[in-house]
Amino acid sequence: DTEVTQTPKHLVMGMTNKKSLKCEQHMGHRAMYWYKQKAKKPPELMFVYSYEKLSINESVPSRFSPECPNSSLLNLHLHALQPEDSALYLCASSQGDRNQETQYFGPGTRLLVL
Amino acid sequence: AQSVSQHNHHVILSEAASLELGCNYSYGGTVNLFWYVQYPGQHLQLLLKYFSGDPLVKGIKGFEAEFIKSKFSFNLRKPSVQWSDTAEYFCAVGLGSGTYKYIFGTGTRLKVLA
Repeated sequence: DTEVTQTPKHLVMGMTNKKSLKCEQHMGHRAMYWYKQKAKKPPELMFVYSYEKLSINESVPSRFSPECPNSSLLNLHLHALQPEDSALYLCASSQGDRNQETQYFGPGTRLLVL
Repeated sequence: AQSVSQHNHHVILSEAASLELGCNYSYGGTVNLFWYVQYPGQHLQLLLKYFSGDPLVKGIKGFEAEFIKSKFSFNLRKPSVQWSDTAEYFCAVGLGSGTYKYIFGTGTRLKVLA
């Protein structure tokens, strides 16, 4: 099973809402990632978790809050987002903990902030 | 600052034409190099990768790429494209040997005409 799943597929939220994105993998991978992808742009790294600990935070605003409850799950909690946060949010995982590993991507959650 | 450049943003080819997509990066240290593909409606998936050894690497679906260290390049090639190769192609560079960080290029949208 080389699948990374993400829910929901689409999300519309207001600027005062609180929502969460969920990512799951059952490949035994120990590194998990959140990326943000705007239209016609490349994915931009937001967070990296390694062995369930936050390893990289790419200066992401605090209205985005990641959580890794266990080695298979990665959440991204959203609060008080801005319209410019509308994007495709991609989750990925990799087996090890270094950038030689192939990252396996999920299909993404398309977020629209009104 | 580190960056990855893909100079061809849009490429249109006829079936059976040869393909070469450019990728250049700016980073003086050790790199690991990847090409990812995103078919319409699908998620990012790995085409091929280079870590060390033979600078000519072969990937899936007849794709290959050549790492030229002196030119900081990792160009993707395919001798004869098919309509099914229509997709967006991203070059990605993993920086250093001890981090999780990928930087993605801006992507090249390839359209193959039947």
